[in-house]
Amino acid sequence: NAGVTQTPKFRILKIGQSMTLQCTQDMNHNYMYWYRQDPGMGLKLIYYSVGAGITDKGEVPNGYNVSRSTTEDFPLRLELAAPSQTSVYFCASSYSTRTGGSYEQYFGPGTRLTVT
Amino acid sequence: KQEVTQIPAALSVPEGENLVLNCSFTDSAIYNLQWFRQDPGKGLTSLLLIQSSQREQTSGRLNASLDKSSGRSTLYIAASQPGDSATYLCAVGARGGSQGNLIFGKGTKLSVKP
Repeated sequence: NAGVTQTPKFRILKIGQSMTLQCTQDMNHNYMYWYRQDPGMGLKLIYYSVGAGITDKGEVPNGYNVSRSTTEDFPLRLELAAPSQTSVYFCASSYSTRTGGSYEQYFGPGTRLTVT
Repeated sequence: KQEVTQIPAALSVPEGENLVLNCSFTDSAIYNLQWFRQDPGKGLTSLLLIQSSQREQTSGRLNASLDKSSGRSTLYIAASQPGDSATYLCAVGARGGSQGNLIFGKGTKLSVKP
């Protein structure tokens, strides 16, 4: 079982460059999430999606964009990279219901991004 | 705004000890609470999930409790082993915002000495 996979594992960007972080899950989960983790801090939600074609902002969405064209894939786009976006990025997925049932979130291995 | 606090930030114990990690949250209106383990440079591994209607969950040497009224959860690790050394993260599934969104604490870094 692959679970949640992320690519690339590491990346160094120059200020102003753009890139897409890829995330794929094979568990047929409806919900997918992007978090960032800064050193010594808890994870913060960037964007999330409740299903294909539906996305919404989390706590720290500025400087990022997402799309969800399929159930499996949830790419995160960084436009005009800035040093403040240096972080570890985690993608996660879960199954949740409209009535409030929310199940275990499964996380990918992360992408370490440095912007210099 | 929901806030999650984990105390202590770091803990060092000798092998074989039983230990308790603490997690507190400010808003008791939660969907669930999840405990994770994170090894250095790695992703998060889910340990236990407690739904809001439950009081505790157990898996092997791990037992997690939830007291919504007091805004607290504990993770009990029995007979600790060096392989338990990692950072343990507590996260609550918060109501009132994005459904399913987890609010994380900063973690407790556990070191188990042989």
